[in-house]
Amino acid sequence: GQQLNQSPQSMFIQEGEDVSMNCTSSSIFNTWLWYKQEPGEGPVLLIALYKAGELTSNGRLTAQFGITRKDSFLNISASIPSDVGIYFCAGYISSGSARQLTFGSGTQLTVLP
Amino acid sequence: SQTIHQWPATLVQPVGSPLSLECTVEGTSNPNLYWYRQAAGRGLQLLFYSVGIGQISSEVPQNLSASRPQDRQFILSSKKLLLSDSGFYLCAWSVRVSGIYGYTFGSGTRLTVV
Repeated sequence: GQQLNQSPQSMFIQEGEDVSMNCTSSSIFNTWLWYKQEPGEGPVLLIALYKAGELTSNGRLTAQFGITRKDSFLNISASIPSDVGIYFCAGYISSGSARQLTFGSGTQLTVLP
Repeated sequence: SQTIHQWPATLVQPVGSPLSLECTVEGTSNPNLYWYRQAAGRGLQLLFYSVGIGQISSEVPQNLSASRPQDRQFILSSKKLLLSDSGFYLCAWSVRVSGIYGYTFGSGTRLTVV
């Protein structure tokens, strides 16, 4: 089946630093999603990417859909304490069954003051 | 606006007891509905999904079951809970608009089986 490898598994950074995380897939996706999950809450969508090569920003967050359609990265600039949480990538193929949403294992981000 | 409600937020149940978690969606029609489980705050495992009333697909064999008695209601159940059923359960919905599925998650239920 489809698998997503997300790295790094965890990050400890100083407030103000930039963050980069990425996901690679063994299969081609035509949609990539990035979610953030805070403790005790459900994941919240941050950025959605629908085209290969697409670069999309949401405030201090920037994500790109890789040209090969098998990878995506998420960057966070000038991190702040409220960026703490688990970040998940997810991908799917929009044709076929709606259930084909595959998640990465998550990146636990800790921002040190 | 579209919202998703999931309850209860937390639940502590003894081994062997039954389970019923409910998820309802507002503001949309004929959504695809999903139950995920998350262990130890990492990784989302798809348990069940439904594309319509009474239509349930199971991804992982287990002692859990799901039902969709109404278009916007999705229920996760068990007749006898196991210790290994502990975890964070998330309901999600998606609707296809212009060929794109948008996925939205509920706030989750923390289940502890003791």
